[in-house]
Amino acid sequence: AQSVTQLGSHVSVSEGALVLLRCNYSSSVPPYLFWYVQYPNQGLQLLLKYTTGATLVKGINGFEAEFKKSETSFHLTKPSAHMSDAAEYFCAVSDLGIVQGAQKLVFGQGTRLTINP
Amino acid sequence: DGGITQSPKYLFRKEGQNVTLSCEQNLNHDAMYWYRQDPGQGLRLIYYSQIVNDFQKGDIAEGYSVSREKKESFPLTVTSAQKNPTAFYLCASSIRRGRGRTGANVLTFGAGSRLTVL
Repeated sequence: AQSVTQLGSHVSVSEGALVLLRCNYSSSVPPYLFWYVQYPNQGLQLLLKYTTGATLVKGINGFEAEFKKSETSFHLTKPSAHMSDAAEYFCAVSDLGIVQGAQKLVFGQGTRLTINP
Repeated sequence: DGGITQSPKYLFRKEGQNVTLSCEQNLNHDAMYWYRQDPGQGLRLIYYSQIVNDFQKGDIAEGYSVSREKKESFPLTVTSAQKNPTAFYLCASSIRRGRGRTGANVLTFGAGSRLTVL
């Protein structure tokens, strides 16, 4: 079964500093990987996804993530943090191989990002 | 605008009462999902439905029930059998993935319903 581990439940960076949120996964099949962002008392919004092809994936709001198969990682980065980036971030892996049907996701525990002025 | 509407946004319930959370989508998606979110535990899948009149248990289905009588609607009932129902509940939808690895279908989420049991 697939699983996701996000290293660090809380990450704090200064405005303008590099953001690095770590995600490691386990999967018995080549994975589909996702990063979602959640603002307080709201649903989740997709930041970016990896399916196949280029291992460096660019998303919205200046975020990007790199799929590293050898390290089973999909870390999320942003070169320069902005106050509006403060939110909770979730890494997720798909739970299906080549079976037709619903896209079940397995989520990590989440990382709360705080931006210091 | 297309999207997912969850209601109510906040709900209080006394112990022993059943409560139903509404989820409606106008995205013409076949698949719908219910997730439960607790602090520090991420999201856990309760139930999902691939098509009308069909639904499957997720990882934590005990104490919950669902129905899928219409494509647009996937209500979740939290029954009195659910031991710890206080949580944030998120509904999502997606298109059905076609046969083979044709690409990931992105889940679209509603804004959530926060249930508190008094």
